[in-house]
Amino acid sequence: DGGITQSPKYLFRKEGQNVTLSCEQNLNHDAMYWYRQDPGQGLRLIYYSQIVNDFQKGDIAEGYSVSREKKESFPLTVTSAQKNPTAFYLCASSQRDRGLTEAFFGQGTRLTVV
Amino acid sequence: GEDVEQSLFLSVREGDSSVINCTYTDSSSTYLYWYKQEPGAGLQLLTYIFSNMDMKQDQRLTVLLNKKDKHLSLRIADTQTGDSAIYFCADQTGANNLFFGTGTRLTVIP
Repeated sequence: DGGITQSPKYLFRKEGQNVTLSCEQNLNHDAMYWYRQDPGQGLRLIYYSQIVNDFQKGDIAEGYSVSREKKESFPLTVTSAQKNPTAFYLCASSQRDRGLTEAFFGQGTRLTVV
Repeated sequence: GEDVEQSLFLSVREGDSSVINCTYTDSSSTYLYWYKQEPGAGLQLLTYIFSNMDMKQDQRLTVLLNKKDKHLSLRIADTQTGDSAIYFCADQTGANNLFFGTGTRLTVIP
């Protein structure tokens, strides 16, 4: 079955440690995204990538880094520079088809920094 | 940048209709979407509307678009407890650029 997979579902880290969230898709989509979701603030775009080896900052990129070495994979690293990293992180991928862009989302990773 | 706004909460009684509203600012929007998020899960596409349409009906769902006022709404007829979730509207501008609202938490009271 085609889809987008995030792992792990829950992640706990100590303050000051970097942590990497995994996102893999087998939908052959060109575009991939990382969003952060906080209560009452909807989805905020962290980074996105339209093509392999290229990515752009979203609205809240500070304290995060990404890579896009393969079409299927778009890992997100939450660095120690991110001041408030505890949140629900969602990865998505999309492909433009006749102008319509349907985004497919993973199940999310809930990161808790203690 | 694009600004997409929704009210945060809505409560309705089971069997009533729910209307979730959304406003956006970019007049060059091409498609507008409604996504549903179940607790602890990712978002799933519910329905979408092309910007040159003003209404789309899909079973219990009716989407209304007022392009002049940049207002989008989602009506759910005969709301059931399984409809309780967070509903996001999203606006597409340009290639692959999706802007999401804050989400409206719909609570259905039995």
